[in-house]
Amino acid sequence: DTEVTQTPKHLVMGMTNKKSLKCEQHMGHRAMYWYKQKAKKPPELMFVYSYEKLSINESVPSRFSPECPNSSLLNLHLHALQPEDSALYLCASSQEGGTDQETQYFGPGTRLLVL
Amino acid sequence: QQQVKQSPQSLIVQKGGIPIINCAYENTAFDYFPWYQQFPGKGPALLIAIRPDVSEKKEGRFTISFNKSAKQFSLHIMDSQPGDSATYFCAASRRGGYNKLIFGAGTRLAVHP
Repeated sequence: DTEVTQTPKHLVMGMTNKKSLKCEQHMGHRAMYWYKQKAKKPPELMFVYSYEKLSINESVPSRFSPECPNSSLLNLHLHALQPEDSALYLCASSQEGGTDQETQYFGPGTRLLVL
Repeated sequence: QQQVKQSPQSLIVQKGGIPIINCAYENTAFDYFPWYQQFPGKGPALLIAIRPDVSEKKEGRFTISFNKSAKQFSLHIMDSQPGDSATYFCAASRRGGYNKLIFGAGTRLAVHP
């Protein structure tokens, strides 16, 4: 099973709301990633977790807060977002700790609209 | 130095044609070059990848050509089909970089019947 699942598929939120995106994988992968993808653009890396520890934070604003409760689950907590944060949020995972090049398996994404 | 430049931005071919997508990089520390395919409403999926110790790699109808001295690599799709219509991203990464992928801008390919 090479599936990464993400919920919800779509999310509409106001600028004062608090919401969370969820990502799950059951492939035993030890690295998990959050990406942001705007329309007609490539994915932009936001965070990398390696063995449940935050390894990379690409200078993401604090209104985005990642959490890795266990090796299979990755959350992205959203608070006080701006309309320009509207995008497709992709989760990915890879087998090892992410310290070497390896295939990243992407989920289908959560399409977020901030009003 | 972190950029990967991809061209063309969009490409239209007839069924059976051979679309070619090109990428170039500057950072000589990059040593892993994957191509991802993304269909509308889906996440990207790895198509094929190459390392600089080989000049060409084939997987089915997909071929990567790699020119280390020119710091360029390209994707060729043989006998293209309408089902190949998607956005293609080249990427690069270096060892010890927590598998951080630097993506090209993407190429939207349309294969007409």
